Amino acid sequence: KAGVTQTPRYLIKTRGQQVTLSCSPISGHRSVSWYQQTPGQGLQFLFEYFSETQRNKGNFPGRFSGRQFSNSRSEMNVSTLELGDSALYLCASSLQSWDDTQYFGPGTRLTVL
Amino acid sequence: GQQVMQIPQYQHVQEGEDFTTYCNSSTTLSNIQWYKQRPGGHPVFLIQLVKSGEVKKQKRLTFQFGEAKKNSSLHITATQTTDVGTYFCAGPNAGNMLTFGGGTRLMVKP
Repeated sequence: KAGVTQTPRYLIKTRGQQVTLSCSPISGHRSVSWYQQTPGQGLQFLFEYFSETQRNKGNFPGRFSGRQFSNSRSEMNVSTLELGDSALYLCASSLQSWDDTQYFGPGTRLTVL
Repeated sequence: GQQVMQIPQYQHVQEGEDFTTYCNSSTTLSNIQWYKQRPGGHPVFLIQLVKSGEVKKQKRLTFQFGEAKKNSSLHITATQTTDVGTYFCAGPNAGNMLTFGGGTRLMVKP
């Protein structure tokens, strides 16, 4: 079975721009979660989607949003980028529930200049 | 809100030495998961513990879940260079999300 894939792998943007990241979960997995990883804050939960609905949301500003499509693929969007948004964005899929085993993708490394 | 703390933050060991990382939650956990992230990689699931006092082994790795289900530990016997990476624990919180500990970065000198 193919693993979780994320595109693009690397991205450089400037402050004020917006960005869209994509995630394809493992086939058959219906829950997709997004995490932000930074050296200072560690791994922080952004949101989780299941059946095209956002089920859970972490403590991030409204500039961070996401969606899930009928094939379980998910995208996250960050608008009005700030320098502090530079991070590794990880997508994780699981079978059904947000607390099932998380299978992480390789991540998208976002740099904001 | 719930906090999950891990200690130590960093650990240098000589190859062949043992290593232990500890995870402590401010609230009782229904389960705890452990992940390993190699340098430049992404977190990979290692194990999930559910029962109070549970102990599970994977070759040289031993995982324990505390009796009160608020703490856990991962012990590696006779470390190898392939054990290098950051080890994270994670537990579900009342907000329906996994809270990850800050991780313990293990470095092994050959």
